Amino acid sequence: SQQGEEDPQALSIQEGENATMNCSYKTSINNLQWYRQNSGRGLVHLILIRSNEREKHSGRLRVTLDTSKKSSSLLITASRAADTASYFCATDVEGAQKLVFGQGTRLTINP
Amino acid sequence: DAGITQSPRHKVTETGTPVTLRCHQTENHRYMYWYRQDPGHGLRLIHYSYGVKDTDKGEVSDGYSVSRSKTEDFLLTLESATSSQTSVYFCAISEVGSEAFFGQGTRLTVV
Repeated sequence: SQQGEEDPQALSIQEGENATMNCSYKTSINNLQWYRQNSGRGLVHLILIRSNEREKHSGRLRVTLDTSKKSSSLLITASRAADTASYFCATDVEGAQKLVFGQGTRLTINP
Repeated sequence: DAGITQSPRHKVTETGTPVTLRCHQTENHRYMYWYRQDPGHGLRLIHYSYGVKDTDKGEVSDGYSVSRSKTEDFLLTLESATSSQTSVYFCAISEVGSEAFFGQGTRLTVV
């Protein structure tokens, strides 16, 4: 089974609202990463948080990591129509030298 | 994008034929990955490489083999294509502990 499980699978909100997506994982990690995918395109890296970090910001993005609960969240503030995409978490698995993805959250921002 | 090219971008092949997908990078990154993306499953890791001639299996490796004879090239071979291997295949590259960069994907249809 996949390392990362994301919740919710789909999220629809109004423009201007905040969007929160969650990711849970199973094993120890070196870092956790979030990616965005627009329909039919390759994935684009958004933010990386290391296992010894608890929170990280990048523009309108805020990521938290709780290694004791093996979970992370991605918050997008003041959402825009252009944020409509699928969002994936990925774990850099400790000791395994591989990057494993979750199933993703499909985010729709309604104008 | 980021010096990573997948070829071909689209392919239709018949059941039982061998197929090889190529991933080429100009970034000299150590790690290379092959994923498949299917609706409802997110990205699933097929095989990955952590150096020339160093490869390992991912979570869905049955029916696939890989080779990496040069730093810049990572080949994915479907030994005898089946309809269940119809998918979009993504290659990615990364350095140790860093974000991954993705190719644009190869849409493979097995008929």
